[in-house]
Amino acid sequence: AQKVTQAQTEISVVEKEDVTLDCVYETRDTTYYLFWYKQPPSGELVFLIRRNSFDEQNEISGRYSWNFQKSTSSFNFTITASQVVDSAVYFCALSEAPYIIQGAQKLVFGQGTRLTINP
Amino acid sequence: DGGITQSPKYLFRKEGQNVTLSCEQNLNHDAMYWYRQDPGQGLRLIYYSQIVNDFQKGDIAEGYSVSREKKESFPLTVTSAQKNPTAFYLCASSGGARNEQFFGPGTRLTVL
Repeated sequence: AQKVTQAQTEISVVEKEDVTLDCVYETRDTTYYLFWYKQPPSGELVFLIRRNSFDEQNEISGRYSWNFQKSTSSFNFTITASQVVDSAVYFCALSEAPYIIQGAQKLVFGQGTRLTINP
Repeated sequence: DGGITQSPKYLFRKEGQNVTLSCEQNLNHDAMYWYRQDPGQGLRLIYYSQIVNDFQKGDIAEGYSVSREKKESFPLTVTSAQKNPTAFYLCASSGGARNEQFFGPGTRLTVL
C-alpha cells in the first residue's frame, strides 16, 4: 500500500532563513505522481507542484525548490529566504495507482508539516 | 470566477442527526472528491466520483453517503452512523489538460 511520511510535525524559523520540509513515500507502483500542497489558515489547499516518477530533475519556482530522489524515495521541499506569508501547513501527497490523465486520482497524503515563519 | 464553493463554512449539529454538506464547482471538471481532515492529520479520502451518476468509496466511507446527479454538484451526507463526525471536510475536483485537484474552502462540522 502507498504511504507518505512527513516526519516533521512542526517547524519554526525566523524570517529570511531557508527551510526544508521532508517527505518520504512508499509505493510499489513504477508509475506514480508526487504532489505538494499548501494549506494556509483559511483552510483551502493550494496546489504547489506535481512531479512524475520518471522525472528526477529538481525544480525551482521562485523561492521554492523541490528535490526528488527515487533512490531514497524522497521528495523534499525547500523554501529559500522564508517570509511570514509562507506560514502554513504543507502536505506531501502521492497518487495511488497509475495516474490516469482523464480519470479520478486517489491521493494519499502525509500528515502535514506546520511551518511557522517568525518576523 | 471559476472555483469550488462549499457551504456553510461552519456547521453545528446535534448527535444523531444526519447532515448534508454542499459542494459545487463551475470548473467543468468530471471528477470530484470528498476528504476528511482531523487535527494534526493529513487528508483522508471519503468518496470520489469520476463522472455523473457514478461514485466510489474511498478509505473511510463508513457512515457517509454521496450523490452525483449533476456534474457541478457532489453533496456529502454525514449520517448518524458515523461515530466521530466532528472534523474539517474538504471537497475537490479535477479535470482539464493537467487534471490537477483543486480544493474548496472546506466546511468545519461540529457535532454536539
